[in-house]
Amino acid sequence: AQSVTQLGSHVSVSEGALVLLRCNYSSSVPPYLFWYVQYPNQGLQLLLKYTSAATLVKGINGFEAEFKKSETSFHLTKPSAHMSDAAEYFCAVSLYNQGGKLIFGQGTELSVKP
Amino acid sequence: DGGITQSPKYLFRKEGQNVTLSCEQNLNHDAMYWYRQDPGQGLRLIYYSQIVNDFQKGDIAEGYSVSREKKESFPLTVTSAQKNPTAFYLCASSRRGDRAGELFFGEGSRLTVL
Repeated sequence: AQSVTQLGSHVSVSEGALVLLRCNYSSSVPPYLFWYVQYPNQGLQLLLKYTSAATLVKGINGFEAEFKKSETSFHLTKPSAHMSDAAEYFCAVSLYNQGGKLIFGQGTELSVKP
Repeated sequence: DGGITQSPKYLFRKEGQNVTLSCEQNLNHDAMYWYRQDPGQGLRLIYYSQIVNDFQKGDIAEGYSVSREKKESFPLTVTSAQKNPTAFYLCASSRRGDRAGELFFGEGSRLTVL
């Protein structure tokens, strides 16, 4: 069965610093991978998704993620953090023809210090 | 604008009472989902429906019930049998034919049992 592990429940960075949020997945077949962002008391918004095209995926708000099959990873990065990036981030995986039954990681709360 | 509307945003319930959370979408999506979110546990799937008049149990269906009489609507009832109902509930939908299964989320409903 597939699963998702997000390393670090809390990450804190300074404004302007690199953001790196880690996600590793477990799947016996090529997965589809997603990063979602959630602001307090709101729903989830899609940041980006990997659907077996380019391995480097660019998303909204300057975020990007790279699919590395050999490492079973899909880490999220942003070169320069902004205060507005403070939120909770979720990595999720789904399999071909199981569309919508996403499996979510536990989430990583990102804090940005001025 | 198309989207998913959940109501109420906040709900308080006494122990032993059933409550129903509303979820309406005007995205013309076939599939709809209910997730439960607890701190540090990510999102867990309660029920999902891929077509009108049909629905399937997710990973934590005990103590919950749903109906899907219309394509646009997928209400969730939290019954008195649910032992720990205090949580944030998220409704989502996805397009038929989307193999990856990207989910579109509502703004959530926070249920507190007093």
